[in-house]
Amino acid sequence: NAGVTQTPKFQVLKTGQSMTLQCAQDMNHNSMYWYRQDPGMGLRLIYYSASEGTTDKGEVPNGYNVSRLNKREFSLRLESAAPSQTSVYFCASSVRGFQDEQFFGPGTRLTVL
Amino acid sequence: ILNVEQSPQSLHVQEGDSTNFTCSFPSSNFYALHWYRWETAKSPEALFVMTLNGDEKKKGRISATLNTKEGYSYLYIKGSQPEDSATYLCALTGTYNFNKFYFGSGTKLNVKP
Repeated sequence: NAGVTQTPKFQVLKTGQSMTLQCAQDMNHNSMYWYRQDPGMGLRLIYYSASEGTTDKGEVPNGYNVSRLNKREFSLRLESAAPSQTSVYFCASSVRGFQDEQFFGPGTRLTVL
Repeated sequence: ILNVEQSPQSLHVQEGDSTNFTCSFPSSNFYALHWYRWETAKSPEALFVMTLNGDEKKKGRISATLNTKEGYSYLYIKGSQPEDSATYLCALTGTYNFNKFYFGSGTKLNVKP
């Protein structure tokens, strides 16, 4: 089992460019999450998907969109990247949600110039 | 937004010392609390999921307690080892949206040999 995988590992964008971060899990989990991690702050939830076919906003959703493509995949899209979106992005999944531990991917380090 | 506070921000101990840190949250809005261990250059890994007042969990030398009435959880490490050096994060979900996680900024533990 690969667990939670994320692509790419690193990305540099110019302001205004768009990109999609990919996340996939092979554990048959129902819930998936996207977080960002900034220096001095804990993880902040961007969007989550409690189950296939549903998505909801987290704490910091502005500037992002998500797609739960199927049970395995949950992608995060930046339509027009801004320097404030420079961060490390983590995808996570869990079996059912709040009552189950989350498994995290290796992260994507994004720099927006 | 749920305010999750962790203290201290950082901690330096000697090998063999026992230590503990705190996660505080609003007692009026609690659904579940998670503890994660995050080593440098890795992804967060789950330690405990706690949902009931009075919960006590243990994994090896690490244990945690939960007091939902007063709004805190303690994480204890007995006989710290250098490999315990990591950032310890707690995350909370509340009653209004139990799939929406709020993370504290973490306690960074450094164990000197």
